[in-house]
Amino acid sequence: GAVVSQHPSRVICKSGTSVKIECRSLDFQATTMFWYRQFPKQSLMLMATSNEGSKATYEQGVEKDKFLINHASLTLSTLTVTSAHPEDSSFYICSARGAGMADTQYFGPGTRLTVL
Amino acid sequence: DAKTTQPPSMDCAEGRAANLPCNHSTISGNEYVYWYRQIHSQGPQYIIHGLKNNETNEMASLIITEDRKSSTLILPHATLRDTAVYYCIAYFNNAGNMLTFGGGTRLMVKP
Repeated sequence: GAVVSQHPSRVICKSGTSVKIECRSLDFQATTMFWYRQFPKQSLMLMATSNEGSKATYEQGVEKDKFLINHASLTLSTLTVTSAHPEDSSFYICSARGAGMADTQYFGPGTRLTVL
Repeated sequence: DAKTTQPPSMDCAEGRAANLPCNHSTISGNEYVYWYRQIHSQGPQYIIHGLKNNETNEMASLIITEDRKSSTLILPHATLRDTAVYYCIAYFNNAGNMLTFGGGTRLMVKP
């Protein structure tokens, strides 16, 4: 199956700093990438959808100025959590979907963010 | 996308078949049934999907009822590594849509 990677796998940062998470599709071109967030014992919640070369579409309640998403190429999307606070601590997961793959979404392994 | 209903948890003995049910009574004609699973602290893993016909791959089989209102994911010989949360999602897979996750079924495979 298609492979999606994320980096870093876990990050610890101080409150007020910014953190960038990378999501890469390794063996296919991802026309659309998605960012999800998952709090402990909860299901995945979609944060935003991004298409290559265009601005991301954010779900209701997700601050676009706080969670900056860039999808500059067909294999890379980045999520930057700006001015992180402890309540932003969560498991962030990206997924990717490419044309010609029956539109199946493939997920990355996730990034565990801890804000102190 | 249509709402799906799954039991919150199930147990299965190692080596036996695990049959995970899913109700999707409001599914529309162009929505597929997708199954993913999430092992603890990992991203979801795609398992299988289908529209009307039963499907089988190296991981599992998917049985969809004729009226498409329910389906069953079958893991033929469950192992301890199959312990995970299994998500059933009704999804119209065109460019503008995205997967929406419900609560899933927590499958515990026991020795």
